[in-house]
Amino acid sequence: DQQVKQNSPSLSVQEGRISILNCDYTNSMFDYFLWYKKYPAEGPTFLISISSIKDKNEDGRFTVFLNKSAKHLSLHIVPSQPGDSAVYFCAASARGRETSGSRLTFGEGTQLTVNP
Amino acid sequence: ETGVTQTPRHLVMGMTNKKSLKCEQHLGHNAMYWYKQSAKKPLELMFVYSLEERVENNSVPSRFSPECPNSSHLFLHLHTLQPEDSALYLCASGQTRESDGYTFGSGTRLTVV
Repeated sequence: DQQVKQNSPSLSVQEGRISILNCDYTNSMFDYFLWYKKYPAEGPTFLISISSIKDKNEDGRFTVFLNKSAKHLSLHIVPSQPGDSAVYFCAASARGRETSGSRLTFGEGTQLTVNP
Repeated sequence: ETGVTQTPRHLVMGMTNKKSLKCEQHLGHNAMYWYKQSAKKPLELMFVYSLEERVENNSVPSRFSPECPNSSHLFLHLHTLQPEDSALYLCASGQTRESDGYTFGSGTRLTVV
């Protein structure tokens, strides 16, 4: 049972335009969501996050939107740049005991290609 | 360099070999994780160590054996692996508060022949 899904394996956009990456989740206990970016031969790097008490979080060119009723979140990148080309992973976590490690459940990833 | 170092970066091993993957973090985090990334699949959580104690084992076969001697080091001992175990193995560290994300290492690309 995959609790976090990214239904688009790939996305291609033109430089300067908006990139929209989507993510759906099924577990209503998830209350914290993150996006990670991964270049080839590197580990994922943290990009932006959002708590379930918010519906939007913005950081420069990156904005994450959360729709709790639809169990859907999206990452907007505007304007898109060729250096944004990477695999983007959506991740979610649910509250646990303070002494336990937090656990992130990841989606399959979406390969974004930004064409010059 | 992200603060989480994994060695080796690449490893080719036979099905009868024994090898170990190493992960080291100097970020002061108190939790460490092993993830497996196979082609076109989500990152799969394998093991969680919190405060040097294993708190989760996600039904991982016994041919994978983790070890966390202290809060800065994490190992994954491998023996009698199968070709389908070939994947990118990622180590991550983090804090136990839910609001923190992980810091990942660059991973070890494992090929079992």
